[in-house]
Amino acid sequence: SAVISQKPSRDICQRGTSLTIQCQVDSQVTMMFWYRQQPGQSLTLIATANQGSEATYESGFVIDKFPISRPNLTFSTLTVSNMSPEDSSIYLCSVYDYGGLANSYNEQFFGPGTRLTVL
Amino acid sequence: AQSVTQLGSHVSVSEGALVLLRCNYSSSVPPYLFWYVQYPNQGLQLLLKYTTGATLVKGINGFEAEFKKSETSFHLTKPSAHMSDAAEYFCAVSDARAGGTSYGKLTFGQGTILTVHP
Repeated sequence: SAVISQKPSRDICQRGTSLTIQCQVDSQVTMMFWYRQQPGQSLTLIATANQGSEATYESGFVIDKFPISRPNLTFSTLTVSNMSPEDSSIYLCSVYDYGGLANSYNEQFFGPGTRLTVL
Repeated sequence: AQSVTQLGSHVSVSEGALVLLRCNYSSSVPPYLFWYVQYPNQGLQLLLKYTTGATLVKGINGFEAEFKKSETSFHLTKPSAHMSDAAEYFCAVSDARAGGTSYGKLTFGQGTILTVHP
């Protein structure tokens, strides 16, 4: 299975500021995703982080608010820009393996999440 | 488009009782189906998955689920609940078609919080 780490694990930020979340995977993966889990709610996909090209955003999410980088096959960052209290959520990165890792065919692995509180 | 409906945001059972968490999905393409568990202040852990083959799939911690295409359901069961099963459970669906625009993307249900009473 893939081991995913995220930094920071949690943060408390002031409104109007930005926070960059890092996601590191212990193996090369093609597909990486960023999800948001608002308090008491389910997970919603923000975007697909594509290596070597711009991220692909889901409806309701835009690059200016959530810029994403994917410089290589093991690393990605998500920035939450110009934050407001409504951005308080857990942000999770995930990787999707469709056959590259033994015994992990078609399995999506999640990082531990970054718990963000915006005051 | 895909969607997932989990019936019951909260389920309460007694220790030793049957656990049944319901999940219905909607998908215009062949689906892959998953159940994840989230313990308080922790990340998501995969319980089990259906991709192809046998429709009854067994997962970790004694859980199993059956894919019923005719009913568009993927209910999660465990014969005997344990206190350690208390957590939030998420059903999810993804597009099974390699190369499809939604391939690899998970659509989650709203989650079901399982409480286990002594």
